[in-house]
Amino acid sequence: KAGVTQTPRYLIKTRGQQVTLSCSPISGHRSVSWYQQTPGQGLQFLFEYFSETQRNKGNFPGRFSGRQFSNSRSEMNVSTLELGDSALYLCASNSGNTNEKLFFGSGTQLSVL
Amino acid sequence: GENVEQHPSTLSVQEGDSAVIKCTYSDSASNYFPWYKQELGKGPQLIIDIRSNVGEKKDQRIAVTLNKTAKHFSLHITETQPEDSAVYFCAASMGDKLIFGTGTRLQVFP
Repeated sequence: KAGVTQTPRYLIKTRGQQVTLSCSPISGHRSVSWYQQTPGQGLQFLFEYFSETQRNKGNFPGRFSGRQFSNSRSEMNVSTLELGDSALYLCASNSGNTNEKLFFGSGTQLSVL
Repeated sequence: GENVEQHPSTLSVQEGDSAVIKCTYSDSASNYFPWYKQELGKGPQLIIDIRSNVGEKKDQRIAVTLNKTAKHFSLHITETQPEDSAVYFCAASMGDKLIFGTGTRLQVFP
């Protein structure tokens, strides 16, 4: 079974731009969660999508948004990028029946210059 | 608020020694506590998890203990090996979300 796939692996953007990150979950998984990882802050929960609906949301500003498609693939968008948005963005999937057994992708490393 | 504290932030041990990482959570309703290992350039990987109806769980050289009264849980790695070197994250379920600690960088020296 293929794992969670995130694209692109690396991104470099400038302040004010917007960016879209993609995540393909493990086949059969219906839930996709997004996390932001920065040094010293650990993994900060952004949001979770299940069956094309946002089911949970963290404490991030509205510049951070996402969506999920009928095949469970998910995208995350960040608009009006700020320097502080530089981070590793991780996507995780599971069956969606519980919040257990999350499987993570390798992440997208975003650098904002 | 929703919070998981993790200590220490860095840990260095000699190969063969034991390593212990501790976490404290804020929500007494938390009932699921996973541990993840993140190697350089990779995403976190689940290594062991425990539910609140169990006090201890062991898988080969790795064990997790849970003290619900004190709201803390710990990861124990025995007979450490260089390949155990990584960043370890604890997490606790809070509502429908998993809240993660800030991570422990474990270095195992040969």
